[in-house]
Amino acid sequence: KQEVTQIPAALSVPEGENLVLNCSFTDSAIYNLQWFRQDPGKGLTSLLLIQSSQREQTSGRLNASLDKSSGRSTLYIAASQPGDSATYLCAPGGGTYKYIFGTGTRLKVLA
Amino acid sequence: ETGVTQTPRHLVMGMTNKKSLKCEQHLGHNAMYWYKQSAKKPLELMFVYNFKEQTENNSVPSRFSPECPNSSHLFLHLHTLQPEDSALYLCASSQEAGGTDSYEQYFGPGTRLTVT
Repeated sequence: KQEVTQIPAALSVPEGENLVLNCSFTDSAIYNLQWFRQDPGKGLTSLLLIQSSQREQTSGRLNASLDKSSGRSTLYIAASQPGDSATYLCAPGGGTYKYIFGTGTRLKVLA
Repeated sequence: ETGVTQTPRHLVMGMTNKKSLKCEQHLGHNAMYWYKQSAKKPLELMFVYNFKEQTENNSVPSRFSPECPNSSHLFLHLHTLQPEDSALYLCASSQEAGGTDSYEQYFGPGTRLTVT
């Protein structure tokens, strides 16, 4: 059974810092991995989708890497801004739709 | 309307009530999903529909009854719920939910359900 761990559980940083959010998963037989952000009381917004054959994906200030064999993914956020404050969730996809979610990293970027 | 919409956004219901949650996607997708998000627990997949056919029921109690009349609409019918069913219910869609390709999921804003 896939288990997903996200570290740290919470993070508070001053504006402008570069950040690293970590995701580890126990079953490396995945098709892809998706990173989401969730604002309080809201739905999830897809940030990046990495296919199992890829090593990384970039979108603006965000870069996600995937090391399937070691069961790890990392989300880098460059030059953090207060608007980046949210909970970040990773979800490895064990089948075409069987995404298993972690409990997230709650990020607060201070102005 | 764009993306995935959900109504109502908030719902308070008693344990003997019957209510329904509605989800609509405007993305031309063929797969739709219901997820449950409880406080301090990971998001849990409840149901999956692919081309209007249910392909996954993740051991969900029968007091939750999904309905997918077409690829754009998904309902979750609720009856005789328990207080522990209080949660954020999220709907999502993707291009498909089958085969060997994997597709990005797009989520709605959720319905915050409180059972009293």
